[in-house]
Amino acid sequence: EAQVTQNPRYLITVTGKKLTVTCSQNMNHEYMSWYRQDPGLGLRQIYYSMNVEVTDKGDVPEGYKVSRKEKRNFPLILESPSPNQTSLYFCASSLSTYGYGYTFGSGTRLTVV
Amino acid sequence: GQNIDQPTEMTATEGAIVQINCTYQTSGFNGLFWYQQHAGEAPTFLSYNVLDGLEEKGRFSSFLSRSKGYSYLLLKELQMKDSASYLCAVRPRERANNLFFGTGTRLTVIP
Repeated sequence: EAQVTQNPRYLITVTGKKLTVTCSQNMNHEYMSWYRQDPGLGLRQIYYSMNVEVTDKGDVPEGYKVSRKEKRNFPLILESPSPNQTSLYFCASSLSTYGYGYTFGSGTRLTVV
Repeated sequence: GQNIDQPTEMTATEGAIVQINCTYQTSGFNGLFWYQQHAGEAPTFLSYNVLDGLEEKGRFSSFLSRSKGYSYLLLKELQMKDSASYLCAVRPRERANNLFFGTGTRLTVIP
């Protein structure tokens, strides 16, 4: 089944404790992206990647890191999480961005206390 | 900058037709997307418009007017399962790898 898989689905952590949210797609998509979704603000892009070893900042990249060492994986790293990073996170992939919709992962609900 | 406006909430009756509007102001334009999102779930792709006019796909249709910066999503023969948020997203030309999303319209379908 074609899908984008994120783990974990739910995570509660403490301020400052490094964490990684994994994202993997099995559709051989070149383009991958991370979004966060907050009430009243909608989906906002954190980082995106056009292909292996090619990444760039989205609209809200502060406090996050990403890497794209393999085509299928695009992990999101929070080196020192803070409470304002409490949010619902979605990974998305696309064959390209020209006329194709994104396929989203199931989401990761992160709470930083 | 980019600005996308949609109504926050709408209510409609099962079996009826509902139109969800989206207006946008972007520094460029290279396509408009509609997504459906049920509470707590991932958004799912509904439609894509890049040229003016109406795109029909079953019970769902999407319309675009580039000169007016306006789109709408039309849902016919509403079903209870259509209760969800509907997200409008625009892709500006100069940042073609980024979709800018509106805050979404929460649609409630009542019997």
